[in-house]
Amino acid sequence: QVQVVQSGAEVKKPGASVKVSCKASGYAFTGYYMHWVRQAPGQGLEWMGWINPNTGGTHYAQKFQGRVTMTRDTSISTAYMELSRLRSDDTAVYSCAREKLTGYYEPFDYWGQGTLVTVSS
Amino acid sequence: EIVMTQSPATLSVSPGERATLSCRASQSVSSNLAWYQQKPGQAPRLLIYGASTRATGVPARFSGSGSGTEFTLTIYSLQSEDFAVYCCQQYNSWPRTFGQGTKVEIK
Repeated sequence: QVQVVQSGAEVKKPGASVKVSCKASGYAFTGYYMHWVRQAPGQGLEWMGWINPNTGGTHYAQKFQGRVTMTRDTSISTAYMELSRLRSDDTAVYSCAREKLTGYYEPFDYWGQGTLVTVSS
Repeated sequence: EIVMTQSPATLSVSPGERATLSCRASQSVSSNLAWYQQKPGQAPRLLIYGASTRATGVPARFSGSGSGTEFTLTIYSLQSEDFAVYCCQQYNSWPRTFGQGTKVEIK
């Protein structure tokens, strides 16, 4: 069955970087976009961007451009999201979610379990 | 950016009753609207897409309606496992945006 398993919780100091992984199984990894979404404490969901695992192409939300890098390793069906120059307001649960690569509008049909990133001095 | 506004923020409902949740978009998203269920410590679950199509395995008591800017999620005869946060998302344009969520709690 479809599974999307993320790496474990991280604690980082302000100014550092964090890299979260998202390992997919049970489906064709290159047939689905992988999106990254975060949720700060008490806040709603915030979309960060996507990567096309087939081409490596990316599209980032304007808010994160220059600070976020999304990559993938197709040999192990894993997507990565790296966020740099961390601030305290980057403390959030970071989730990956897949979207079928159809060329049409599609929802996020499977999500990872989320990775808590805490930024604290 | 399309702003998604959900109401109410919290809905208190007794088991077996009906819950009606609203989601409004700041501009038309056609029918490209999804509803997700969130429970603490769990991955969000896709319930409804295309405004009204239930995702695989979603019980028939979940019903979505609407198009354009006004959408509704109705949960008929609430079960214990349905008490959760429900979030709408538009996937009609970039960036993808979400509502703040409606918490459905036991009355």
